[in-house]
Formats: sequence, structure tokens, C-alpha cells
Amino acid sequence: NAGVTQTPKFRVLKTGQSMTLLCAQDMNHEYMYWYRQDPGMGLRLIHYSVGEGTTAKGEVPDGYNVSRLKKQNFLLGLESAAPSQTSVYFCASSYSMSVTAQYFGPGTRLLVL
Amino acid sequence: EDKVVQSPLSLVVHEGDTVTLNCSYEVTNFRSLLWYKQEKKAPTFLFMLTSSGIEKKSGRLSSILDKKELFSILNITATQTGDSAVYLCAVSDSWGKLQFGAGTQVVVTP
Repeated sequence: NAGVTQTPKFRVLKTGQSMTLLCAQDMNHEYMYWYRQDPGMGLRLIHYSVGEGTTAKGEVPDGYNVSRLKKQNFLLGLESAAPSQTSVYFCASSYSMSVTAQYFGPGTRLLVL
Repeated sequence: EDKVVQSPLSLVVHEGDTVTLNCSYEVTNFRSLLWYKQEKKAPTFLFMLTSSGIEKKSGRLSSILDKKELFSILNITATQTGDSAVYLCAVSDSWGKLQFGAGTQVVVTP
């Protein structure tokens, strides 16, 4: 039981490049989330999904897109990376949105030059 | 505007000391408050509090929620170097979305 996994662990992009971050969970959780963590600002919700085929915007969605084609996977895309998107990205999942805690993946460190 | 404020931002203690971390919040449609511990990588879940005045305890860690005064505290007794971490407080609204505080960095020195 791997829990929540993320790939890649680290990536360097040039401004304007695109990339996709992959999150996978093997706990059969319905709900999945993408956060970014910046120094002094805690974790901020980018997008989330309440089930396969559904997505919704969080607190800081601009510049990101997501897809949830399979229940176990949640993809985060950057179409045209900007230096302001340099951050650590965490994926999380939970059984339900309000009853149980969210469980986090190990994070992806992204540097945009 | 919803907000979650943690204090202090950081502290350094000696092994064996007791630590008290604070989390105050203003969140519309409050559902629960959660504490996480973050070492090098992913935040790991510690507690979820939904009812006021009921202490949750796990070993040397305990936490309590005051829904009237809108705050929670996390206590760590007999601290060890392994307790060094950033402790995150998060509040869930009725939709289950979490809003995090900036965290408190705890350093425990031998």
C-alpha cells in the first residue's frame, strides 16, 4: 500500500515550458487535491476533485489545469510555466471531503527559471 | 475573508521541555480543525477536532478546540529531537476544503 505518490520529485523548467505533474493514490479515495506550498504562506489549494471526471477550482487556480480521468490519478498541468510557479506541489486525497483527514504525497519541487 | 493564524512562527526548546502551539481561525461554515506535522516532506496527519472542549491525545501530543473563542492549541510534553518539525494547523469548511495556517517551526535541541 503506497498511499499517495507523486512524480516527478523535482523538475527544472524554463519560462514558457509546459509540464504535467502526476498524482496517484491506491486507497480508493474519492477526493483528491493539489496544493502549492511557498515559504511563509502555508499550503494553498489549487484545484480539487470530488470524483472521477470532476474538477473544481481552489484558492489559487490561475495558470494551472487539472484532469481526473481515472479515480486513482489526478494530474496537474502547467501550460506555460512562470517563475511565480516555482514552489513545492503536494497532492492529497481523502475518503470524503469533510469527515476524514487528507493524506499527502511526498511533494514535487518545481523550479521555473 | 477566511483566515487561519498560527503562533508563534518559530521556537527553539530544549529536550524535555513542554511546547504549546496556537491556532486561531475565522472561517465561514467551520466543520473541523486539523493538525499536521511536516518534517522534510509530506505533512502527516496528527489530529482532527470537531467538538469544543474535548481533548484529543496521542502519546505526548494533545490538542483541544475552543469553538466559542475560535482557537485550538497543540501541546507537546517531554519534547524529543524527533519532534523538530513544522506544525501546520488547517481548518475545514462545510465543503471539506482546507485552509492552512503558515505553520510553526519547532526546533528541539539536545
